Amino acid sequence: AQTVTQSQPEMSVQEAETVTLSCTYDTSENNYYLFWYKQPPSRQMILVIRQEAYKQQNATENRFSVNFQKAAKSFSLKISDSQLGDTAMYFCAFMTEEYGNKLVFGAGTILRVKS
Amino acid sequence: GAGVSQSPRYKVAKRGQDVALRCDPISGHVSLFWYQQALGQGPEFLTYFQNEAQLDKSGLPSDRFFAERPEGSVSTLKIQRTQQEDSAVYLCASSNPPGRRYQETQYFGPGTRLLVL
Repeated sequence: AQTVTQSQPEMSVQEAETVTLSCTYDTSENNYYLFWYKQPPSRQMILVIRQEAYKQQNATENRFSVNFQKAAKSFSLKISDSQLGDTAMYFCAFMTEEYGNKLVFGAGTILRVKS
Repeated sequence: GAGVSQSPRYKVAKRGQDVALRCDPISGHVSLFWYQQALGQGPEFLTYFQNEAQLDKSGLPSDRFFAERPEGSVSTLKIQRTQQEDSAVYLCASSNPPGRRYQETQYFGPGTRLLVL
């Protein structure tokens, strides 16, 4: 079965500090894509960052970066210099060839950035 | 062009009513997905279209759920004889693969929040 586990239901961080959100997944596939999506309160889901499993280099997008550990099936998201606008629900998701193009999501982590 | 749009944004239905939810994907996007998101949970896959062909409907929870995309653009998710457990946010996403089939990023619409009383 393809599963995604986000073990932190809620996290909080002070503005300008760094926070890391955890994600583990389970698949027998070798080729797949991993994603972090952000869903602000009452707003639509937007892509934060994506990682191709065949790439060893960790993806980065400005203040957002990932720590991809393929052997451990771990895909954590690091947010640097946290801003109030980062407050949102964050979902980890992946997609494999075996399961077609559907995204499998974790249960999400609520991140609150405090001033 | 514009992003994925969905209508209505909110729908209140009485138990037993039929509802139809509409999705307008990003112009030219080949693939279209429907997901169901229960309160406080991650989205769960319902069905997938490539152009007008429904390639995967394995996530539809019952035969009361039906989706179509007759001209390969706009899609409609229909729920017949709604039940309280159908209350959720229904998300639509679209994507356009640049090459290898799984090299896709899905772009989501704002969702339709359905409340069945």
